[in-house]
Amino acid sequence: GAGVSQSPSNKVTEKGKDVELRCDPISGHTALYWYRQSLGQGLEFLIYFQGNSAPDKSGLPSDRFSAERTGGSVSTLTIQRTQQEDSAVYLCASSLDVRPDTEAFFGQGTRLTVV
Amino acid sequence: GNSVTQMEGPVTLSEEAFLTINCTYTATGYPSLFWYVQYPGEGLQLLLKATKADDKGSNKGFEATYRKETTSFHLEKGSVQVSDSAVYFCALSDYTGGFKTIFGAGTRLFVKA
Repeated sequence: GAGVSQSPSNKVTEKGKDVELRCDPISGHTALYWYRQSLGQGLEFLIYFQGNSAPDKSGLPSDRFSAERTGGSVSTLTIQRTQQEDSAVYLCASSLDVRPDTEAFFGQGTRLTVV
Repeated sequence: GNSVTQMEGPVTLSEEAFLTINCTYTATGYPSLFWYVQYPGEGLQLLLKATKADDKGSNKGFEATYRKETTSFHLEKGSVQVSDSAVYFCALSDYTGGFKTIFGAGTRLFVKA
C-alpha cells in the first residue's frame, strides 16, 4: 500500500486477555518502530526493528509486551494479560533506512481500550 | 541517554498571532532534529527537519533553526491560522541512540478565529 497500515483501528478487550496489533509498513522500508501514545502523553518508544539486526527492545515496559517482524515486513505487537494501564494508542512507523535524518512515516494507530 | 523536552501545552492563540513552541534536547551524538505534527483525526506527519547546526527547516510557514550551542530547535510561525490547530512533537534521532527517533511530550495548539 501507499502508507503504513495498522489493524485493527480500534480494539476493546477485557483485562487479562491477550491482544495482537498488526503493522504493515511501506514496501521497501527497512526500519520499523512501535510507539505508544497515552492520553495527554507524548510518544513512548517501545521497540525498533532494522533489517535482519536484533531488535532494540529497550522501550518495552514489561515482559508482557513482545513484538516480531516476519520476513522484514509485517510486524505484530503482542500484549499478554492486558492491564488497564495498557490502554493507549499504539503507533507504528517505518522509514526507508537507518540514517538519522530519515523521515518516519506513521500509521493511523490502533486505539486499545482495556476494560 | 537522548531526550527531548518541549513546552507544555495547551497553547491557545488567536488567528494571525505569532507562535513559538520551545524544544530543547539532550544527545550524546550529533542528532538530526524534527518537528512532527498530528492534526485532529490524522496520523503523525513530518513538518520539518534540520540535520546540522545552524540549518533552518521550514514548511507551511513554520520554521525551526538547529542551535547546537543552546541545544534547541524552537518552532515558530509568524501568523497562525485556525487550520494549524494540532499537536506538535519535537523529535531527534542519532547514531548513538541506535537510530531510533525519540519524541517530546507534544504541545497542543488551539487557534481561535
